[in-house]
Amino acid sequence: AIQMTQSPSSLSASVGDRVTITCRASQGIRNDLGWYQQKPGKAPKVLIYGASSLQSGVPSRFSGSGSGTDFTLTISSLQPEDYATYYCLQDYNYPWTFGQGTKVEIK
Amino acid sequence: QLHLQESGPGLVKPSEPLSLTCTVSGGSVNGTSYYWGWIRQPPGKGLEWIGTIYYSGSTYYNPSVKSRVTISVDPSKNQISLKLSSVTAADTALYYCASPGRGTFDIWGQGTMVTVSS
Repeated sequence: AIQMTQSPSSLSASVGDRVTITCRASQGIRNDLGWYQQKPGKAPKVLIYGASSLQSGVPSRFSGSGSGTDFTLTISSLQPEDYATYYCLQDYNYPWTFGQGTKVEIK
Repeated sequence: QLHLQESGPGLVKPSEPLSLTCTVSGGSVNGTSYYWGWIRQPPGKGLEWIGTIYYSGSTYYNPSVKSRVTISVDPSKNQISLKLSSVTAADTALYYCASPGRGTFDIWGQGTMVTVSS
């Protein structure tokens, strides 16, 4: 199975900060990666698909990049509503695997 | 607009089977989506993909549960079901069903909590 190593596991940041979260795949997955945001008590919400395509309705401060094994989710200017846990998911091959999550907390 | 709603027993005894359903509204299980998936999340932990069923009937499962899990579609009820045999405490989790859009899982249900305890 492809392992998705997400880092950091948590971070503290202030409103307006630029935040970067990375996911590394244990083998190449082309661009078959999505990023999800989950707030407490809520189902995950897709932010990015195909590694870099912004889901409709998602603010443009979110962006994704990468291909192959290394991927990045960037929040260009952190907003109060962005405090949440973020997960990557590879669907390149089965079993699909999530990263372990990155909790973004208020500094 | 597609809406998914999971339902289940809430509490299951160890070694017993678990059966969950995901009711689809705003679309058909036999045409709206290319596939349907189940994902779970133990309390305070991360997301785990359980399995996916395609419109063709093909299924793919996580090896962690493969010997115990069955995902199927019931067109007459417009539901997707998840059956997990011989549950243990490790199966305690919030279970979600989800469907794709442009992303792998664009639409999610609100989840149904399952606790395995005697």
